[in-house]
Amino acid sequence: QSALTQPASVSGSPGQSITISCTGISSDAVDYNYVSWYQQHPDKAPKLIIYEVTNRPSGVSNRFSGSKSGNTASLTISGLQSEDEADYYCSSYISSGPLYVFGTGTKVTVL
Amino acid sequence: QVQLVESGGGVVHPGTSLRLSCEASGFSFSIYAMHWVRQAPGKGLEWLAVISYDGSNQYYADSVKGRFSISRDNSKNTLFLQLNSLRLEDTAVYYCAKDVAAAGTGGFFDPWGQGTLLTVSS
Repeated sequence: QSALTQPASVSGSPGQSITISCTGISSDAVDYNYVSWYQQHPDKAPKLIIYEVTNRPSGVSNRFSGSKSGNTASLTISGLQSEDEADYYCSSYISSGPLYVFGTGTKVTVL
Repeated sequence: QVQLVESGGGVVHPGTSLRLSCEASGFSFSIYAMHWVRQAPGKGLEWLAVISYDGSNQYYADSVKGRFSISRDNSKNTLFLQLNSLRLEDTAVYYCAKDVAAAGTGGFFDPWGQGTLLTVSS
C-alpha cells in the first residue's frame, strides 16, 4: 500500500476556509470510516484532530471538520487562524495489512 | 493524564542494533494495542508496527519486516522496538502511539509520545 496522496501545500488568509484532500483510500477503510487526521507543528509530535472521518476528539476546535466522498477524504479548516499553520496528515487503516498508511502530508500556511 | 515517553535514541553506526523504549502512564496500558511510527528528517510519517494488548500479535510495515521487532512488558507499562541491521535511511524520529482498541484495529493513534531521535551515521 503506497502512501495516500495529499497536496503538498495549501494556504489561506486569516478567517478563510481551506480544504485538504486525501486520495487513494481503500474501499474497506472508506466503508468502515477508518480515516483520521493529524496536526503537527514544527518539532512537535502529531496530534489527532479527526477520527473515523468526521469525529473530533474532546478539546479540538470545531473549526476542524472531516468528510469523505468516494475514495477521498477531506479536512476543512474554517475561520483560519495563525495557530493553524502546521503540517497535516491523513491516515487510514487497512484490514488486509500492512495495517496503516499515512498521507504524504500537507503544509498549511496562513498568509 | 495519558503520557507516553520514548527513550533510547542516539547516534549509531550502520549495521548495529538498538532498542527503543516507550514508557506509558495515566491509562491502563495492558488493555490497549500500541504502535511505532517514524518520521525521517523533513519527511512525512511512516507507520512501522503494532502490537496487540497482550503481545500475542504483531504486524509490521513491509519496509521493516524482518529487521524490526515490537514487544511490550505490561508489568512495566513499557513498549519496545528492537531495531537490527540499521541503515542510513533508518535515521528518523521514532514515535510511540496508543491505539484505541486492544487488537490494533482501532483505526487511529491517540496520543503520541514526544519522539526519540535515532541517527544512523558512518
